[in-house]
Amino acid sequence: ETGVTQSPTHLIKTRGQQVTLRCSSQSGHNTVSWYQQALGQGPQFIFQYYREEENGRGNFPPRFSGLQFPNYSSELNVNALELDDSALYLCASSHKFSGRNNEQFFGPGTRLTVL
Amino acid sequence: KNEVEQSPQNLTAQEGEFITINCSYSVGISALHWLQQHPGGGIVSLFMLSSGKKKHGRLIATINIQEKHSSLHITASHPRDSAVYICAVGGGADGLTFGKGTHLIIQP
Repeated sequence: ETGVTQSPTHLIKTRGQQVTLRCSSQSGHNTVSWYQQALGQGPQFIFQYYREEENGRGNFPPRFSGLQFPNYSSELNVNALELDDSALYLCASSHKFSGRNNEQFFGPGTRLTVL
Repeated sequence: KNEVEQSPQNLTAQEGEFITINCSYSVGISALHWLQQHPGGGIVSLFMLSSGKKKHGRLIATINIQEKHSSLHITASHPRDSAVYICAVGGGADGLTFGKGTHLIIQP
């Protein structure tokens, strides 16, 4: 059983650019959540995808968007990058069954730096 | 929106000491998570609990639903336990709401 993987591990972009981050779920998991963790802070919920549809969203602007694919892997896209978007981006996969909360398994994160 | 408070924010202890980290939340929940984060970013799920107590090795987590409070205990602490310990609640469509974490350092 493979764990959650994310790519790339590190990324440097400039203001105004666009970025795509990728996440492969743990085998058998149908739900992916994305979080942003600024330096010294706890992670903040961006959104969650369940069966290829956005299932919930935190307080992030529309320039943060995502996709989930039939194999349950996921992408996080950020347009018009701002300096404050510099953070560690974490994805977590879980298996949602009958609406129950289930344990989330985190990937190692992608460190994004915006210059 | 649930507010999650952790204490202490920073904790330095000697190897072998018994460690307690506390977490309080403001709104009733269905599940509380304790997570461990090492330098470099990776997060590991330690416990998910909705009532009572769970034990895994030297780690013990308890929750009091009525008091909206949870504790994480580490017995016989070791320098390899040094990490940030994070309490989080929720996990449904609203995602997890995290505390700011407790930075634990265990000195030899």
